[in-house]
Amino acid sequence: SQTIHQWPATLVQPVGSPLSLECTVEGTSNPNLYWYRQAAGRGLQLLFYSVGIGQISSEVPQNLSASRPQDRQFILSSKKLLLSDSGFYLCAWSVGTGSNEKLFFGSGTQLSVL
Amino acid sequence: SQQGEEDPQALSIQEGENATMNCSYKTSINNLQWYRQNSGRGLVHLILIRSNEREKHSGRLRVTLDTSKKSSSLLITASRAADTASYFCATAAGAGYSTLTFGKGTMLLVSP
Repeated sequence: SQTIHQWPATLVQPVGSPLSLECTVEGTSNPNLYWYRQAAGRGLQLLFYSVGIGQISSEVPQNLSASRPQDRQFILSSKKLLLSDSGFYLCAWSVGTGSNEKLFFGSGTQLSVL
Repeated sequence: SQQGEEDPQALSIQEGENATMNCSYKTSINNLQWYRQNSGRGLVHLILIRSNEREKHSGRLRVTLDTSKKSSSLLITASRAADTASYFCATAAGAGYSTLTFGKGTMLLVSP
């Protein structure tokens, strides 16, 4: 069966420090991968998605970047964190295409930038 | 801007009662999905309804879709305390590598 691993679960970082969040998927090949951010009490905002190795699409221009160095690995990075980067970050992968596409989420990373 | 908007924002009921949450959206969709999120956790997919379907059931869940009104509802029957969570609707506008657009969610509290 497929599983998704996301770490760390919580992270407290000072403003201006770098960021690296990692997500890996097991049990499937060539998944679509996604990074979402959820601000407190709000819905999910799509940050990046990837349909293959080295293929990254950005939905919102910002202080963050994403990379997909391997088929089942998705990394979210920042060179210098801002206060506004605080939030709950979720990695997800999808199965199916078009009308059948569903998302499977990791357990999330709560990032606090102080 | 977000596609789906859930209503109400928060709902508090007693165990055994039914819970109904609504979702409205603005543009044409390929499918609509409902997800559940326990506090501090990732989202879990509950049910997907395609644009050519009107109703779908899964256990105690019943989802309806009215594309003429651009709205959907999620009914949880005979609720349990374990149903306490936030519920999100998400819409998929296109085919292929579609990207879901999520609403802000309804926070459901089921009291024993």
